[in-house]
Amino acid sequence: GEDVEQSLFLSVREGDSSVINCTYTDSSSTYLYWYKQEPGAGLQLLTYIFSNMDMKQDQRLTVLLNKKDKHLSLRIADTQTGDSAIYFCAETPGGTYKYIFGTGTRLKVLA
Amino acid sequence: DAEITQSPRHKITETGRQVTLACHQTWNHNNMFWYRQDLGHGLRLIHYSYGVQDTNKGEVSDGYSVSRSNTEDLPLTLESAASSQTSVYFCASSDLERGAFFGQGTRLTVV
Repeated sequence: GEDVEQSLFLSVREGDSSVINCTYTDSSSTYLYWYKQEPGAGLQLLTYIFSNMDMKQDQRLTVLLNKKDKHLSLRIADTQTGDSAIYFCAETPGGTYKYIFGTGTRLKVLA
Repeated sequence: DAEITQSPRHKITETGRQVTLACHQTWNHNNMFWYRQDLGHGLRLIHYSYGVQDTNKGEVSDGYSVSRSNTEDLPLTLESAASSQTSVYFCASSDLERGAFFGQGTRLTVV
């Protein structure tokens, strides 16, 4: 079947904005999520967006949702070295209670 | 505070042995999941459960089984461990809207 797609790597300078993109597969996904994984740790929920929203802002994080193109993005403003991690998007296809994850984007923040 | 714990954190086993990984959550969530994480594949769903006595296969369920006898626990069993099952395993539980909460992971090596 189709995969939830993310680019593998992103490198930005400290203080710049980061934009991580995701193309998901199921237009009927009720919620879409962004998770962060630091080395040796589990996944931590960063934020989520309900499918009837176009945008959600939470402090330095902005999520944009384009349902027509099944495109989800996460913008991190004023990126810090502590933001270096792997970021995963996840969908809940068919309104189900299961989470399908993308391959993850490794964000490296350069000082 | 509610939490989700996995044990053991690290395990080395031999090919052909049966192995059980434990997952225990105190969120009182009905939904629980097992994923494996491999480089280049992100997180792939192995099995999931929507409640006691309910279990469902995910996309990579061959060679794995789960049972759900109570709300808190979802143990994952590898019937006959194979080298291809060397991976990091994550358990999660969820409330759909708030997303899935993950354990710290179990690193399994099959030699």
